[in-house]
Amino acid sequence: GAGVSQSPSNKVTEKGKDVELRCDPISGHTALYWYRQSLGQGLEFLIYFQGNSAPDKSGLPSDRFSAERTGGSVSTLTIQRTQQEDSAVYLCASGLAGGSTGDTQYFGPGTRLTVL
Amino acid sequence: SQQGEEDPQALSIQEGENATMNCSYKTSINNLQWYRQNSGRGLVHLILIRSNEREKHSGRLRVTLDTSKKSSSLLITASRAADTASYFCATDGYQGGKLIFGQGTELSVKP
Repeated sequence: GAGVSQSPSNKVTEKGKDVELRCDPISGHTALYWYRQSLGQGLEFLIYFQGNSAPDKSGLPSDRFSAERTGGSVSTLTIQRTQQEDSAVYLCASGLAGGSTGDTQYFGPGTRLTVL
Repeated sequence: SQQGEEDPQALSIQEGENATMNCSYKTSINNLQWYRQNSGRGLVHLILIRSNEREKHSGRLRVTLDTSKKSSSLLITASRAADTASYFCATDGYQGGKLIFGQGTELSVKP
């Protein structure tokens, strides 16, 4: 079956513009995660959706970042008024269970965001 | 902040040799996972070891976990040039599933 897909694969934007990044998880996976990877910070957790529960937003770096997951499937990560420090690879992952039992997470190829 | 520390940061070996990477973490965990990443893009899941397990094997991979020392190791036996990649450990505490990653080990296997 298809893996996690993300679009676009690359995005170049100007400082101050808004961007939307999309993630299509593996069908049937109830857990969805966003991470970002940058040279200075390594791999950082951003936000986690599990079924119909309220998302865990504890990793979002500022209120310019938001994410939603529609219909329990596709997720969109939105960054408003982008800054140069937002430049990174944004990775999405999905899993079957999540929660306290732990879960293998399957990652998409990522979106490389460059803010000029 | 990062949970894990990985050691070494970079490792260069010849094909056929074994590669060992170590990971240490700070808080109690539910499980620990190892991932591989090629060319700075998507991560590929390698193996998951739960906190009540001490050792796990998958093909040429062997993972150990010592919860008393808060450390894990990944051994790749009979390495191949195709194993060249960055390897990350990630811990899943009682935090709702989010992974906390180490800084990674860059493995280079020379043919």
